[in-house]
Amino acid sequence: DQQVKQNSPSLSVQEGRISILNCDYTNSMFDYFLWYKKYPAEGPTFLISISSIKDKNEDGRFTVFLNKSAKHLSLHIVPSQPGDSAVYFCAASAGAQKLVFGQGTRLTINP
Amino acid sequence: DGGITQSPKYLFRKEGQNVTLSCEQNLNHDAMYWYRQDPGQGLRLIYYSQIVNDFQKGDIAEGYSVSREKKESFPLTVTSAQKNPTAFYLCASSAAGGSSYEQYFGPGTRLTVT
Repeated sequence: DQQVKQNSPSLSVQEGRISILNCDYTNSMFDYFLWYKKYPAEGPTFLISISSIKDKNEDGRFTVFLNKSAKHLSLHIVPSQPGDSAVYFCAASAGAQKLVFGQGTRLTINP
Repeated sequence: DGGITQSPKYLFRKEGQNVTLSCEQNLNHDAMYWYRQDPGQGLRLIYYSQIVNDFQKGDIAEGYSVSREKKESFPLTVTSAQKNPTAFYLCASSAAGGSSYEQYFGPGTRLTVT
């Protein structure tokens, strides 16, 4: 049972445009959501997070939106840069500090 | 610098052999985790430990064992009972309690069993 789903395995965006990565979840007990970025053969690095009491969190070029009624979150990157090319994982937690990860979306930024 | 180290980066073993992957952290974190990543899949939780001398099974614990004798160390043993051991293994840690659930990851160990 996949509780966190990233339905797009890959996404290609032109440099300077907006990248939008999507994530859906099924467990209504999730109260904290995170996005991680991963380069090949490296560990994931934390990008941005959001608590379920908020619907938006912004950090520089990265903004995460949470729609609790739709059980959907998205990560917006604007403007997209070549160094943003990586695999992005969304993750969710139900308060026990265990994280449940999605399958990942490979983002490619084209010059 | 504070962080998580995993060694070795690449590991090769013959089928039927047990192998232990190292994970050390100097972040003073109470909680540590082991994940496995396979191509096209997300990270799946193998074991986690929230305090020294205590650990819990994750979603795919079969064929693996762990110990947590020290706060800084959380080694993972891949036993011969693990049917598909070839994968990329990631160790992580986090501060227990508080409002942040952020986990910090090590660089990973790629294990190949032939």
